[in-house]
Parts: sequence; structure tokens; C-alpha cells
Amino acid sequence: EPEVTQTPSHQVTQMGQEVILRCVPISNHLYFYWYRQILGQKVEFLVSFYNNEISEKSEIFDDQFSVERPDGSNFTLKIRSTKLEDSAMYFCASSDPSGGTEAFFGQGTRLTVV
Amino acid sequence: QKEVEQNSGPLSVPEGAIASLNCTYSDRGSQSFFWYRQYSGKSPELIMFIYSNGDKEDGRFTAQLNKASQYVSLLIRDSQPSDSATYLCAVNARQAGTALIFGKGTTLSVSS
Repeated sequence: EPEVTQTPSHQVTQMGQEVILRCVPISNHLYFYWYRQILGQKVEFLVSFYNNEISEKSEIFDDQFSVERPDGSNFTLKIRSTKLEDSAMYFCASSDPSGGTEAFFGQGTRLTVV
Repeated sequence: QKEVEQNSGPLSVPEGAIASLNCTYSDRGSQSFFWYRQYSGKSPELIMFIYSNGDKEDGRFTAQLNKASQYVSLLIRDSQPSDSATYLCAVNARQAGTALIFGKGTTLSVSS
């Protein structure tokens, strides 16, 4: 069964450092998303991406965040200067609009900023 | 502010019973409604979606939608200990690429 894959599964970084989280969406999907979940809190939308452009973003997705599809398979989230409060699980998701708006999630990257 | 509300629980049911999970949402423009299951430390797993008023059944799961009341529910029949997880309700505007708005989730515990 096709699935969204994310790497790494866990990343520890020092405050102020840049991190890049990587995702391979399901191959025939056209919409890609990043969500985050701070420990004990709800899943929050960050950004959606279609046709090499951001289609929607939340207030959380400020200038320190960026997304990119560097090739035909990868989708990345970059955090330029990490803060302690960026520590969270980051989930990539993808959806195929021809089949509805159901989004399928990857297994997540746990980001710990120290 | 678009909100999705769920009772955090825990909801405790014995094995074999019916578990009923409820969700309300604030945005009347919401068109798509989803139930995800999340085990501790894992990612959300899609188990049901519903777009139209009424009931939708899939195996032991039934989703119910009432747009007039802005209410979505999930029934799990013949609950099993493996159903013990947090169930997340999510809604969006049913346009491709739009954000899913999640509730905080209801924790279900099924005892054997």
C-alpha cells in the first residue's frame, strides 16, 4: 500500500540552527502538507503546497519556515533558526484531489530543540 | 476562528460494547469531515470520511453527520482492546489543498 515516508524519524538540534525535514509523498498525489503536533496538544496545520507553490499557510508558518519540492519525489520543510518552542512532531501529508480531500500522513519526525 | 471541539475523555468501554465519539465544529462552510485514529507517539491514521448528511458505514465503524447541528460522530461497534487510541475529528472546506482543522481528540480505552 502506498505511504508517505518521512526522514529522519527523530532530529535533535541546537537552538538557532537550521533543520530540514524531508518527506516523500504518495507518488500520484498532487497536494502536500506539513502539520505539527506539540506534545499533548492538537495537530496544527502549517502549510499546503501544489504545483510548486504554497496554496495555503497558517499563522504559525512565519518567515522562519519554508517549503520546497527540490525534485520529483521529495518535499521538504526548512526551519531557518530553530527555537525551543519548535520542538514538536512534524507530519507530512499528501492528498489526491481526484479522490476527494482525504489526507494521508507520514509517520512523523520528532524534532527536539535543545 | 475555526474550531473543532471534542470531549477529551477518557471514554472507557468494555470489550464488545459500542463506543460513541462526538465532535462539533464552528465553521458552517465546512464540507468534509474526517476521523483519524492516533496511537500514542504515532501519526494520525485515516479511518473514515463523510461528506453528506446521514450515516456512512465501513465495517465496525459508522460515521454520522448532521450539518444543521454542526455535529459529527463516530460509532465503533464490537469494540476491541486494539481500538484503544485517541480519535481525532478533522474538518475542511472540501477544496483541494485546504487545511484540515483538528480537534484535540478523544481518548478511548477498551477493557478486556
